[in-house]
Amino acid sequence: QVQLQESGPGLVKPSETLSLTCTVSGGPVGRYSWSWIRQPPGKGLEWIGFFYYNGTTNHNPSLKSRVAISVDTSKNQFSLSLNSATAADTAVYYCVRGVSYVFDIWGQGTMVTVSS
Amino acid sequence: DIQMTQSPSTLSASVGDRVTITCRASQSISGWLAWYQQKPGKAPKLLIYKTSSLQTGVPSRFSGSGSGTEFTLTISSLQPDDFATYYCQHYNNYSFGQGTKVEIK
Repeated sequence: QVQLQESGPGLVKPSETLSLTCTVSGGPVGRYSWSWIRQPPGKGLEWIGFFYYNGTTNHNPSLKSRVAISVDTSKNQFSLSLNSATAADTAVYYCVRGVSYVFDIWGQGTMVTVSS
Repeated sequence: DIQMTQSPSTLSASVGDRVTITCRASQSISGWLAWYQQKPGKAPKLLIYKTSSLQTGVPSRFSGSGSGTEFTLTISSLQPDDFATYYCQHYNNYSFGQGTKVEIK
């Protein structure tokens, strides 16, 4: 069965770039959309953006142009880059598979703290 | 943007109770709504998609209904494993409701 695993630094300094990678096992990254969703401590879920296998990308307008999501099919991974990080970006970050606009498979999540 | 509002924010119930959670959209969204369950420290789990379709493996005590701007998630007989936080999600712009925590009464 398909499994997702996030990896990346747990601590990022303010103004630096938050970078995470999601490794997909048990199936190819093709033919689905691959999203990042985050959850600040004690708060709700916020969709960040997705990369669709045909190359289409989209992101939450609230994050303006700080977000970049890419896919590496050779490694079966997809990545998130969020620049100019602030304390407001502190959250658990989930990588998620999307199918027909819903999120059916989630990674376990990784906590990222933005602090000096 | 379409805003999703859940009610109540917290719900206290007992095992065996019938529980209903409501999700209201700021404008009509047809049937493009999903529900997720999240337990503390865990990733959310898809329960229902397209308003009323049960995800594979989800117990039949969970059901979804609604149309237009008002949607509901119903648990017909609350089980100990169901105490969790529930989120609705609209397909357009992937927005989530703020969550409903179902706690033990």
